[in-house]
Order: sequence, then C-alpha cells, then structure tokens
Amino acid sequence: EAGVTQFPSHSVIEKGQTVTLRCDPISGHDNLYWYRRVMGKEIKFLLHFVKESKQDESGMPNNRFLAERTGGTYSTLKVQPAELEDSGVYFCASSPGQGAIGSYEQYFGPGTRLTVT
Amino acid sequence: EDKVVQSPLSLVVHEGDTVTLNCSYEVTNFRSLLWYKQEKKAPTFLFMLTSSGIEKKSGRLSSILDKKELSSILNITATQTGDSAIYLCAGVHGSGNTGKLIFGQGTTLQVKP
Repeated sequence: EAGVTQFPSHSVIEKGQTVTLRCDPISGHDNLYWYRRVMGKEIKFLLHFVKESKQDESGMPNNRFLAERTGGTYSTLKVQPAELEDSGVYFCASSPGQGAIGSYEQYFGPGTRLTVT
Repeated sequence: EDKVVQSPLSLVVHEGDTVTLNCSYEVTNFRSLLWYKQEKKAPTFLFMLTSSGIEKKSGRLSSILDKKELSSILNITATQTGDSAIYLCAGVHGSGNTGKLIFGQGTTLQVKP
C-alpha cells in the first residue's frame, strides 16, 4: 500500500510569488490534514478535510493560504502571495474515515520544504 | 491553549543503553496520545495510546499512558544506532471520531556505537 506522498519535496520562491503544494493521501482515507513546522518550533496543525469538506481550518495563518480537496482525493495548499515567515516544512497526513478502526492514527507524508527568499 | 511538552529535548546514549522519553500534555477534548519516530522525512507512526495503564510494545519499544498525570513515556531498551531519530509525541484534540494532533517539540536521540 502506497503511503502519503507530497510534491514537491522542496520549493524555493521569492517573496510575493505563489506556490502550490500537493498531497496525495493513502487510498481510501477520508481524513486529510495539513501541518507546518517552522524552524525551531513544533509541528502545528493547519487544517483538516473530511472527504472534500473542510472540517476544521482553525490553524490556517491568514487568507494568503488556500487549501482545496476537490473530489475528496488529493489536496492542494496554495500560498499567495508568499511571505518570508511562510518558510518551513509543510506536512500532510491522512487517516481512515469516521468510525473506522484506527481513525485517530494519522500517517504522514515526507513533507515539502518551502523556502521564501 | 493546548500544549504538549517533551523531555529531555536531546539525549546522547551508547548502544545497549535503555532510554526513557517523557511527554506531558494539556489537551482539551483529549482522545489519544500518539508517538512518532522521525528520521529524515516523514514522521513514522509508532504507538497510539488511549487507555491509561495499558502498555503497548513493539520489539524493543514500549509506551504507556497515565491519564491521571496527563503524561506518557516511551521506553527503548538495548538501544541501537538505528534508533537515532527525533521522537515526537502528540495529543489528539478530538472532534467526532477524528481530530487534530497537538505536537511536542520532540526529543532528539543520538545513539553512539
């Protein structure tokens, strides 16, 4: 079974540019999460999708961040326009649907390292 | 505000030593506590603990949750160089049958030959 995949693995952009990160969850996982770790800090929650619906977006820093999950499969996270403080590692995780055994277990992708210069 | 604190932040041991990593949590709507191992890229799932006092084991690793003390420990016996990694603890802030993870800072473990 393929794990969570993320693309790209690393992105370097200039301040003011736009970047789109992609996450492909484990097949059949209804829940998809985005997290971020900025340098020196712990991993922090950004938002949670259940299928194509946003369940919780309380961790999104501001309206420069837009997440989508059309069709309930892969998700994208767009940052527009990027600022220096957006640099960090963006992780995606997925877990099985509600009621499924192990639904609290979240499986992580390798992350996208975003550097804004 | 939800918070998870891990200690120590870093640890250096020699092969064969036994280590204990600590995690304390203050998480509202607490559901479970998860441990992950992160070597280079993706945090790899180790354990999920939901019930207090029940030890979970996987090879040389074991973990237990104390809901009265709001804490958990991760033990690694007979450490090997391959155990060198960052160990992350996360509390589940629940919503229905799922929820967001509140992470600690991580414990960086280095095992020397």
